[in-house]
Formats: sequence, C-alpha cells, structure tokens
Amino acid sequence: DQQVKQNSPSLSVQEGRISILNCDYTNSMFDYFLWYKKYPAEGPTFLISISSIKDKNEDGRFTVFLNKSAKHLSLHIVPSQPGDSAVYFCAASGLGGGADGLTFGKGTHLIIQP
Amino acid sequence: NAGVTQTPKFQVLKTGQSMTLQCAQDMNHNSMYWYRQDPGMGLRLIYYSASEGTTDKGEVPNGYNVSRLNKREFSLRLESAAPSQTSVYFCASDAETEAFFGQGTRLTVV
Repeated sequence: DQQVKQNSPSLSVQEGRISILNCDYTNSMFDYFLWYKKYPAEGPTFLISISSIKDKNEDGRFTVFLNKSAKHLSLHIVPSQPGDSAVYFCAASGLGGGADGLTFGKGTHLIIQP
Repeated sequence: NAGVTQTPKFQVLKTGQSMTLQCAQDMNHNSMYWYRQDPGMGLRLIYYSASEGTTDKGEVPNGYNVSRLNKREFSLRLESAAPSQTSVYFCASDAETEAFFGQGTRLTVV
C-alpha cells in the first residue's frame, strides 16, 4: 500500500513556463517532505524540503507547497529550463527526518520542451 | 568531495552466485541506507543503519544481508542471487534532514 503517491508518471512543459509536480501521502505521521531530482545513470540529488510546520518553502526557481489537511504537496519550478528535464521523486519521513529512512513516490518524469 | 561512494558501478551475476556491494561515506553521518530502484516502483528501502553497530530491516529485506563495518562503511550482501534482484541499488547517508545518495550499482542477475 503506497504511502507516498505521485500519480503522474510523466509531465511535458514548454521551456519558460511553470512546471507543477504533485505528490499525495497517506501517513499522518510524516512530518518532513523532500523532493529529489534524478538524471539517468546518476543517484538522486536533493532539491528542496519542507517541514510540516510550514506551508511553503522557496529556493530560487523552486517552491514547495504543503497542504497538510489534504495530505498533498507540490513542487513548482518557474521558469522551467531544459536542464530541469529529469525524474523527480517526492519523499517523506517521520519524526523530523527520522533515522529509519525516507519513503519515496514512484517519480514523475519531467520533460522540458524547447 | 567524494560524498557517498559505491562499488561496483555495474555487475552481472548468475543465479545462485553471491556478491557484496560496497558503500562508503566521508561526511561523518550516523545513518546509512540501502535502496533499490525498479522501473515504475520508485526507491524502496532494503536495510538501514541508524548508527555504527546497528542495522534494521526496511521495506524489502528478503534475500539481503548488511554489515555496518564502521561509521563510514555499510555493505549489502546477496548470498544467493535471484533474477528478481536485478535492479539498481543506491546507498545513501543521512544528515538528519537530507539524504545523500551514491551513483548507484546496476546489478543484473541472469
């Protein structure tokens, strides 16, 4: 039973426009959420995170929004650039980070079209 | 800056063979993890180690064993490889709020 869901396997966006990647979770014990970016043949790299005590976190072109009541978070990338083409994983953990690992979604393949 | 280093990068095994995947981190992190990534499945936790000397099962531990040799090193062993263990394996270490991943080991069991 998936605790972190990314329902869009792929997303195509024109260069310069906004990319919005969505993630839903079911476990109420999750209190820390992260987004990872992955290029082919490389390991995932950390992009941005948000604690459950916040509803928004911004870092340059990347913003993560958290709606706790809906158990939903989203990653906004604006403006989208060709180098943003990658697989994006949503991840969650409990107890403020948790030494017992992250729970990942299945990923969304973002394709930025010129 | 090495970060998390995994060896080997690629491996082909025959069914029933054994092998150990090596992982080392130079960031002085307490927690280390092994994940596998399969097409359409995301990353799934195999085993983790919250600190030197401790290990715990994750979501998919069957067929694997681990050793936390010291604070830097966390190895994953397949005693008798099966085709179902064909996957990409990632080691990670944790700085409490962010996990750092290695480059991955692509393992094929034939």
